[in-house]
Amino acid sequence: DTEVTQTPKHLVMGMTNKKSLKCEQHMGHRAMYWYKQKAKKPPELMFVYSYEKLSINESVPSRFSPECPNSSLLNLHLHALQPEDSALYLCASSQNTGYSGYTFGSGTRLTVV
Amino acid sequence: GQQVMQIPQYQHVQEGEDFTTYCNSSTTLSNIQWYKQRPGGHPVFLIQLVKSGEVKKQKRLTFQFGEAKKNSSLHITATQTTDVGTYFCAGPGTGGFKTIFGAGTRLFVKA
Repeated sequence: DTEVTQTPKHLVMGMTNKKSLKCEQHMGHRAMYWYKQKAKKPPELMFVYSYEKLSINESVPSRFSPECPNSSLLNLHLHALQPEDSALYLCASSQNTGYSGYTFGSGTRLTVV
Repeated sequence: GQQVMQIPQYQHVQEGEDFTTYCNSSTTLSNIQWYKQRPGGHPVFLIQLVKSGEVKKQKRLTFQFGEAKKNSSLHITATQTTDVGTYFCAGPGTGGFKTIFGAGTRLFVKA
């Protein structure tokens, strides 16, 4: 299995809702990432997990809460989001946080209303 | 923090023409990666370059890493409509352990 699977593919949520994005990989990768991508912009790093521990938080607002239940799963919990948080949320994994290419999931397209 | 600058922002070509995108850094890069993102899709890893002066080829794509490891290029020979998309270079962020993307070059190919 050489894929990163993200669910849901699309999500519309209100500003008072709580929702979660899920990401799964079975490649034995030990590093997992959340990126945010706005239209016509590059992916912007949010969080890095290495060996199931949060190693980097790029000053992301607390309304985004990551979780890594095990080496194959990565969640992003969303609460009290703003309309400007609408974007494509991409999960990625790599063998480690060193010199290795990332495998991206197909993303969750989030709309906050 | 570590930044990679990428040019051009857009490129329109006629099918069959060549295309090149450039990536530059003010500091030495330990490695550089290239990704392709089709319209409506997600980034797909193409290649990683590590060695100074390295040149790698994938069919019609040629990737180069500069001697000083501060710049890189992706060249596509005889573009096809399937080459349409955004090409990103990506380098290690400050402190390592993360990958930061350049702004990307959007390639449009007219049949």
